[in-house]
Amino acid sequence: GQNIDQPTEMTATEGAIVQINCTYQTSGFNGLFWYQQHAGEAPTFLSYNVLDGLEEKGRFSSFLSRSKGYSYLLLKELQMKDSASYLCAVRPTDSWGKLQFGAGTQVVVTP
Amino acid sequence: DTGVSQNPRHKITKRGQNVTFRCDPISEHNRLYWYRQTLGQGPEFLTYFQNEAQLEKSRLLSDRFSAERPKGSFSTLEIQRTEQGDSAMYLCASSAGPGFETQYFGPGTRLLVL
Repeated sequence: GQNIDQPTEMTATEGAIVQINCTYQTSGFNGLFWYQQHAGEAPTFLSYNVLDGLEEKGRFSSFLSRSKGYSYLLLKELQMKDSASYLCAVRPTDSWGKLQFGAGTQVVVTP
Repeated sequence: DTGVSQNPRHKITKRGQNVTFRCDPISEHNRLYWYRQTLGQGPEFLTYFQNEAQLEKSRLLSDRFSAERPKGSFSTLEIQRTEQGDSAMYLCASSAGPGFETQYFGPGTRLLVL
C-alpha cells in the first residue's frame, strides 16, 4: 500500500514563495502528481513527475527524488487566487488506474 | 474541448434510498475513474474502466456500489440502500490512456444522505 504525508496547512504572504513537501512510502512507484483544489471544486492538474529532478511550469515547479520518496511543489510569486488545497498523489505499480492521494495541504495566502 | 461533466451536481436523499450518478468523460478518453472525497481528505479511489471494461475496483467498495460504462463513453455509479456514511463528494475523472496518464476531474456530485 501507500502512505502519503503532507502538511495540513501553510500560510504565506502575497508575492512570496511557498514549498509544499510530500513524502511517500510505497512498494512500487510509477509517477507522482500534484493537483490544486479550490473549496467545493474539482481537483485541477498541476504537474507530473516520473523521473528524478525538477519540472518547471510557469510559477509552479515540482521536484521528485524517488530514492528518498520525496517530492515538493514550489509556488512562486504567490497570488491571492493560489489559496487552495494542494494534493499530492502517487500512482502505484500494482495498479495502472488509481491514484493514491494525500490529505492535501491547505495554503492560505494573506495580503 | 469540453471537460468532464457530472450530473447531478447535488443530491439529497433519505437513508435507504438508491441513487445514481452520471459521468461524461472528455471525448476520446478511454479511461474513466470514480473517486470519493470527504471533507479534509484527498480523493479515495473507487473503480476505473478502460473502455467498457471495469479493470479495478477498490476493496473498500461495498457491494452496495456498482458502476457501469456500457458503451465505453459515459459511466454511471449507483449506490443502493444509501447510508449516512455515504455522504461525500463523488468525483469522476478521465484520461487518454497509456502514455497519457494525467487524470482530469469533473466538478463532482455532492451527496447528502439524511
